Amino acid sequence: EAQVTQNPRYLITVTGKKLTVTCSQNMNHEYMSWYRQDPGLGLRQIYYSMNVEVTDKGDVPEGYKVSRKEKRNFPLILESPSPNQTSLYFCASSFNTLDGYEQYFGPGTRLTVT
Amino acid sequence: QQQVKQSPQSLIVQKGGISIINCAYENTAFDYFPWYQQFPGKGPALLIAIRPDVSEKKEGRFTISFNKSAKQFSLHIMDSQPGDSATYFCAAKVSGTASKLTFGTGTRLQVTL
Repeated sequence: EAQVTQNPRYLITVTGKKLTVTCSQNMNHEYMSWYRQDPGLGLRQIYYSMNVEVTDKGDVPEGYKVSRKEKRNFPLILESPSPNQTSLYFCASSFNTLDGYEQYFGPGTRLTVT
Repeated sequence: QQQVKQSPQSLIVQKGGISIINCAYENTAFDYFPWYQQFPGKGPALLIAIRPDVSEKKEGRFTISFNKSAKQFSLHIMDSQPGDSATYFCAAKVSGTASKLTFGTGTRLQVTL
């Protein structure tokens, strides 16, 4: 089954404790992205990747790191989480089509930083 | 600054009615405008999308209307059904980029019986 998987789905942590949220896709898509979703703010892009070893900042990259060492994986790293990073996080993979572009989202990771 | 402004924030429509959600943008470098549907506990899913060289696109009960001169686009859901109750997001992609999407703030649609 074609899908984007994220782990963990739920995470409660404390301020300053480094964490990684994994993301994997089995569709051989070149492009991958991370978003955070907050009430009233919609989805905001954190980082995106155009291919292996090629990443760029989205709209809200502060406090986050990413890496793309393999095509299928795109982990999100919070080196020193803070309470304002409490949010719902989505990973997505995408590809170009003749008409435009299709993006598939993972199921989300709900992160709470205390 | 929100580059894609979406309204209304919430919408209640009776079954069989028409749901209309509007989005406006400023950045003329946007070249692709998708709409996403999100059910509680799930990730967003692509619903329908349009390019700026087309004024309207219809897929089943869902239609996008696009007004390039006004920099506005809207989603119309005809014959709205309770199963359409979800949050809808408009989005826009910057030309020349493959995955840089900017989303609107979302509209929570409730379709009542």
